[in-house]
Amino acid sequence: DAGVIQSPRHEVTEMGQEVTLRCKPISGHDYLFWYRQTMMRGLELLIYFNNNVPIDDSGMPEDRFSAKMPNASFSTLKIQPSEPRDSAVYFCASRYRQGGEKLFFGSGTQLSVL
Amino acid sequence: QQPVQSPQAVILREGEDAVINCSSSKALYSVHWYRQKHGEAPVFLMILLKGGEQKGHEKISASFNEKKQQSSLYLTASQLSYSGTYFCGTARAGGGADGLTFGKGTHLIIQP
Repeated sequence: DAGVIQSPRHEVTEMGQEVTLRCKPISGHDYLFWYRQTMMRGLELLIYFNNNVPIDDSGMPEDRFSAKMPNASFSTLKIQPSEPRDSAVYFCASRYRQGGEKLFFGSGTQLSVL
Repeated sequence: QQPVQSPQAVILREGEDAVINCSSSKALYSVHWYRQKHGEAPVFLMILLKGGEQKGHEKISASFNEKKQQSSLYLTASQLSYSGTYFCGTARAGGGADGLTFGKGTHLIIQP
């Protein structure tokens, strides 16, 4: 199993630009989560999906953030326009409900907004 | 509500024991423990469900006191490989229907 795959690993962009982060969950997993990690706040849950449907997006900080899951094998997190305070590591994680509640994390995307 | 972890950091010599605590102000269904090494993704250690059970894997074990909404992670005879940041994650609903809320983490440094 390839695990959860995220791309890109690193993203450097300028303030005001659009940023798109990508995630491929583990095949067969029916839950997908987006987390943001910073030194100040730790790991924050942004949004999660069940069977491609957004369940809870209360952690999305602003309207500049949006997430989609068009099918079971792909999700995106978009920031438009990006700001320096969005700089963080963004993790995608997936889980199979019938397999317990263990989360499998991707390697993360290190985002730097200049 | 983010769970509170203590201590924030701990430095040990190889072979010493450590305890990491996690507490919540909300009633919990389960507590999860993850370890993250620098530059890597968090990796699952164990899940504890309400009922006060204690789980263990080799020299790492944990307990969960649902009445106090507290969990503790015990690392016995620590090894160099135990270094990293430990996170507790809490869920208020069961059945996989809830996202985990993580604490800010405890940095563990094991010295030879």
